[in-house]
Amino acid sequence: EAGVAQSPRYKIIEKRQSVAFWCNPISGHATLYWYQQILGQGPKLLIQFQNNGVVDDSQLPKDRFSAERLKGVDSTLKIQPAKLEDSAVYLCASSYQGNYNEQFFGPGTRLTVL
Amino acid sequence: AQKVTQAQTEISVVEKEDVTLDCVYETRDTTYYLFWYKQPPSGELVFLIRRNSFDEQNEISGRYSWNFQKSTSSFNFTITASQVVDSAVYFCALEGSARQLTFGSGTQLTVLP
Repeated sequence: EAGVAQSPRYKIIEKRQSVAFWCNPISGHATLYWYQQILGQGPKLLIQFQNNGVVDDSQLPKDRFSAERLKGVDSTLKIQPAKLEDSAVYLCASSYQGNYNEQFFGPGTRLTVL
Repeated sequence: AQKVTQAQTEISVVEKEDVTLDCVYETRDTTYYLFWYKQPPSGELVFLIRRNSFDEQNEISGRYSWNFQKSTSSFNFTITASQVVDSAVYFCALEGSARQLTFGSGTQLTVLP
């Protein structure tokens, strides 16, 4: 079974530029999550989708971050414009139903904002 | 609000030593799940275990064991006879009624040959 795929693996941009990350969850997984992991910290949930609907985006900085999951499969997370403090690893995870089920994580995208 | 505390930031042991990683949690939910994840240098979080709040039985899986004590709100993880490949960051996490994972800050384990 293929795991959660993410691209790119690494991205370096300058502040005020835009960036987008892509995630392809495990086939059949209805729930998709985006996490931000700042160096030395645990992952923090940004947004959770159930199929193509948003379940929770309370911790998503909506003035600069946006995410979508069209057709309930792949998802894209965008930052526009980026700030220095956005430097982090962005992890995508998926689970079968999202109800205390195990989450499977992708390898992450390491973003550096200069 | 939920909180997970991993007080040990870094631990170093010599290969074959036993090591215990501590995890203390806070939640008002009566039904919740506790998790441990391993994050090797490659960066991908690897699921190790899930335990629900009604099951306080300790669990052993090979060299890994987990001790869940509701009375002290702790869910500690022990690696017996540690190996160099165990070197990683280990995260404890809690999922309550909000169906969201709250992670601790992680413990960096280094196993020296």
